Amino acid sequence: EPEVTQTPSHQVTQMGQEVILRCVPISNHLYFYWYRQILGQKVEFLVSFYNNEISEKSEIFDDQFSVERPDGSNFTLKIRSTKLEDSAMYFCASSQVYEQFFGPGTRLTVL
Amino acid sequence: SQQGEEDPQALSIQEGENATMNCSYKTSINNLQWYRQNSGRGLVHLILIRSNEREKHSGRLRVTLDTSKKSSSLLITASRAADTASYFCATTGSGGSQGNLIFGKGTKLSVKP
Repeated sequence: EPEVTQTPSHQVTQMGQEVILRCVPISNHLYFYWYRQILGQKVEFLVSFYNNEISEKSEIFDDQFSVERPDGSNFTLKIRSTKLEDSAMYFCASSQVYEQFFGPGTRLTVL
Repeated sequence: SQQGEEDPQALSIQEGENATMNCSYKTSINNLQWYRQNSGRGLVHLILIRSNEREKHSGRLRVTLDTSKKSSSLLITASRAADTASYFCATTGSGGSQGNLIFGKGTKLSVKP
C-alpha cells in the first residue's frame, strides 16, 4: 500500500541553523501539507500546497518557513533560522481530495 | 474558528469491551475525519464522514455525525490491546478550504488485556 515517507526521522540542530525536512507524498496525490505537533499538544496545520504553490498557510508559517516541490516526488519544508520553540514533530501529509494521509514524522530538536 | 474537541480525554477499558469517543466542533464543516496515533508515531487515517452523512462503518469502527449538534462519535467494537492509542477528530471547513485540518486534543485510549 502506498504511503507517505519522511526523512530524517530525527534531526538535532543548533538554534539559528537552517533545517530542511523532506517528504515523499503518495505518487498520485495532488495536495500536500505540513503539520507540526509540539510535545503533548495538538497537531497544528502549517501549510498546504497545490499546483506548485501555497494554497493556505497558518499564522505559525511565518517568513522563517518555506516549502518547495523541487522535483516530481519530493516536498520539503525549510526552516531558515531555527528557534528553540521550533522543536516538535513535523508531519507531512498528502491527499487526492479530502482524506489526508500522514507520514511518520520528523522529530526536530533545537538545542 | 472551528475546533474539534474530544471527550473523554482518557479512556481505559478491558479487551473485548466497546470504546466510544466523542468530538465536538464549533463551525460548519465539509467533512470530519478520525485519526489514530500510537505513542510518538505518525497519524493513521481511520475514516472520513462527509457533512451530508450521518453514519459510516469500517470494520470494527462506527462513526456518527450530528451536524445539528456539531458532534461526532467514534465507536470501536470488541476492542483489542492493539487499539491502545490516541484518537483524534479533525475537521475541514465548508468555506472551500481544501486542507487545513483542525485537530482536537485527542482521547487517549488504553485497552487492557
